[in-house]
Amino acid sequence: DVKVTQSSRYLVKRTGEKVFLECVQDMDHENMFWYRQDPGLGLRLIYFSYDVKMKEKGDIPEGYSVSREKKERFSLILESASTNQTSMYLCASSLSFGTGELFFGEGSRLTVL
Amino acid sequence: SQQGEEDPQALSIQEGENATMNCSYKTSINNLQWYRQNSGRGLVHLILIRSNEREKHSGRLRVTLDTSKKSSSLLITASRAADTASYFCATDIGIIFGKGTRLHILP
Repeated sequence: DVKVTQSSRYLVKRTGEKVFLECVQDMDHENMFWYRQDPGLGLRLIYFSYDVKMKEKGDIPEGYSVSREKKERFSLILESASTNQTSMYLCASSLSFGTGELFFGEGSRLTVL
Repeated sequence: SQQGEEDPQALSIQEGENATMNCSYKTSINNLQWYRQNSGRGLVHLILIRSNEREKHSGRLRVTLDTSKKSSSLLITASRAADTASYFCATDIGIIFGKGTRLHILP
């Protein structure tokens, strides 16, 4: 069964802390994505990656960076967390870029105090 | 950026009734996908319809696509309590989502 695993379901961090959100997929998918989801705003794409060490900015990359050193792992990094980054973060992966369905993790709810 | 916009934002119906939600998008697409999200969980893929298709069925789901109007609809027939969720459409290369329709099935 396909699986996308996000390392933490709930995190509480302080302003200025460096935050790592990890995502691992076991489907050998080329493409991986990070979204944030906020009430009234829906899902917004932060970054995506179509290959190891490759990354592309989405709609809202400011304040975030990503790392993809291995095919199965895609990390989202908040270099200096701020309160406006309090959100639900969703990771997804897909086999084909353009026609394939996205498989989502369960989400990581981050609170920045 | 391309984006699907779902309508209505929220919908409450009685169990057993049909639920229809709509999605409009801005530019040409190759396909359109619908996803479901239960509260506090990740999204689950429901169905994909290609730009050269007009209608597609999957169980109690029926999706239509009108590329001339840049719109799609998702019909859930004979709704059940378990259908209570948010529903999203995703356009273009399947990575741009709208804000979703929150569906609530009343017992």
